[in-house]
Amino acid sequence: DTAVSQTPKYLVTQMGNDKSIKCEQNLGHDTMYWYKQDSKKFLKIMFSYNNKELIINETVPNRFSPKSPDKAHLNLHINSLELGDSAVYFCASSQDGSEGYGYTFGSGTRLTVV
Amino acid sequence: SQKIEQNSEALNIQEGKTATLTCNYTNYSPAYLQWYRQDPGRGPVFLLLIRENEKEKRKERLKVTFDTTLKQSLFHITASQPADSATYLCALYNQGGKLIFGQGTELSVKP
Repeated sequence: DTAVSQTPKYLVTQMGNDKSIKCEQNLGHDTMYWYKQDSKKFLKIMFSYNNKELIINETVPNRFSPKSPDKAHLNLHINSLELGDSAVYFCASSQDGSEGYGYTFGSGTRLTVV
Repeated sequence: SQKIEQNSEALNIQEGKTATLTCNYTNYSPAYLQWYRQDPGRGPVFLLLIRENEKEKRKERLKVTFDTTLKQSLFHITASQPADSATYLCALYNQGGKLIFGQGTELSVKP
């Protein structure tokens, strides 16, 4: 029973393409997140949704658009992919977004733009 | 701006010894501090959370301290094992309500 699952695990695509990454959590958590981990292993938050509502929208290009059809799902769509988008993208969830709870992360999607 | 700093150099220790990792932060006073473990090719795994009014917290062989005066947390693994080899990340909420991470310290425990 995977708590936070994301698909695909690997994604190789050409510049200019549009791609989506899907994320689902079965923990009953209210808040979900997208993080980007670059080649230097730095984890940086991109978006946060609480019960389908956008809470955090970091300085991310407009080509990145999250969508949350329900509180158990948070997908990430990326338009016009660029070489610099290559990274590992992690989905995560937490109980209610407050500071007193740890995050549960998915296993990541390694995106390679060629 | 708020910053978290972890020792970017890898820490190599012998099995059975105590590993101590450091996390320093600047420019804010978090109410909580968290530690995660990340293995290659995997997502971070939550280990421990410590509150500002807790000086120390333990979980099995793990011990975390939180010194709000020094703005520092120490993460200890006692009786370390090769299976403890991983990257350890500290994290805390910044003033914008976002959980931000340090760059992590890679721990290698040799048999």
